[in-house]
Amino acid sequence: DSGVTQTPKHLITATGQRVTLRCSPRSGDLSVYWYQQSLDQGLQFLIQYYNGEERAKGNILERFSAQQFPDLHSELNLSSLELGDSALYFCASSVGPGWVSREQFFGPGTRLTVL
Amino acid sequence: AQKITQTQPGMFVQEKEAVTLDCTYDTSDQSYGLFWYKQPSSGEMIFLIYQGSYDEQNATEGRYSLNFQKARKSANLVISASQLGDSAMYFCAMREMNRDDKIIFGKGTRLHILP
Repeated sequence: DSGVTQTPKHLITATGQRVTLRCSPRSGDLSVYWYQQSLDQGLQFLIQYYNGEERAKGNILERFSAQQFPDLHSELNLSSLELGDSALYFCASSVGPGWVSREQFFGPGTRLTVL
Repeated sequence: AQKITQTQPGMFVQEKEAVTLDCTYDTSDQSYGLFWYKQPSSGEMIFLIYQGSYDEQNATEGRYSLNFQKARKSANLVISASQLGDSAMYFCAMREMNRDDKIIFGKGTRLHILP
């Protein structure tokens, strides 16, 4: 158990809908990262927050947005869902940015299925 | 160009044998970190081992060691005395410390340990 929690574990929804994925980092970790794992794209970095502020952005679609709240939990919002958004979404956390901590600890993931 | 290349999509190894999973990387940065993660069929991402670009010794963590050859830009994972529980997907990854904080993953190698 990495100490990172993600809810829900599974999510099934329809095209055009909007969903919210939730992540609670390990106690004491200030950085939260979101990754998408799909069969065709592999594991891709989406976005990072550090202590409530957006710090780095990767291949995140405009239909997706995220935020980190004062209690450090983070939410990833996916809207106007398409079939191709079906994937495993991971949240990871670390103490700080790259120069402070090396590894990121991954949560169990949320499996999103868009029908 | 791919930053992380894992040339072995799948491998079959007899239990108790040692196994080497190949990884080559591409970066022009001097400061970077290399990681290996394990993803069993249950889906979670498990951190295995880390090697910093300035580390002179190869990293070791129990049965895992990282064969780091900087000039060749190679970071192979060696698993000694393989066990049935080692059957999983293995990802090599890199973080370039002078850039944003994302970890770039390779496409993975699926390892099957045979009894």
